[in-house]
Amino acid sequence: AQSVTQLGSHVSVSEGALVLLRCNYSSSVPPYLFWYVQYPNQGLQLLLKYTTGATLVKGINGFEAEFKKSETSFHLTKPSAHMSDAAEYFCAVSDLGSSNTGKLIFGQGTTLQVKP
Amino acid sequence: GAVVSQHPSWVICKSGTSVKIECRSLDFQATTMFWYRQFPKQSLMLMATSNEGSKATYEQGVEKDKFLINHASLTLSTLTVTSAHPEDSSFYICSARVPRSSGYTFGSGTRLTVV
Repeated sequence: AQSVTQLGSHVSVSEGALVLLRCNYSSSVPPYLFWYVQYPNQGLQLLLKYTTGATLVKGINGFEAEFKKSETSFHLTKPSAHMSDAAEYFCAVSDLGSSNTGKLIFGQGTTLQVKP
Repeated sequence: GAVVSQHPSWVICKSGTSVKIECRSLDFQATTMFWYRQFPKQSLMLMATSNEGSKATYEQGVEKDKFLINHASLTLSTLTVTSAHPEDSSFYICSARVPRSSGYTFGSGTRLTVV
């Protein structure tokens, strides 16, 4: 079974400050890890993903995340927050690399607030 | 590429009626689709996995007789909420694995309100 825990349901930063959203996962097989962003009443947009290879993954809009197997973490960072980054962020884990089905399981989500 | 079209985007129905939500893969064949439910300010909860031509696999706690899933073709999966009640009001999102890719694509979601 797989699961995801996002530490902090709500994160508030000032514009221009570092963004750090935490994600820890549990997986019995090598995980595929994802970060998605969701704006109100909209679907999901992929920010970045880790499958295999380089553990530091760069995504869209200046976001990046590092896969740390020893810590079972996949934290999302951005050096400088913009007002437009205010949204809901979801970390997700999949067994896609080891399973024909590849269910995608989401964490609880973190609301990012950016203050001017 | 790899676009999933979900309709309707919102629907209001009376308690006791049934509502069908469609998800179509527009430019690829989706052998596997996933249906999620999202309550306000909460996460996406996986309801079921549907595979083309076979019965859907429901997650624990999801009523299969209330949430009927049909995946009759490689481009269409439907979720029917039967005998809807106000507590079924939610945001429903479909997703599909992208072929030859390590990723997923999502529909834009359906906001269901049962009155």
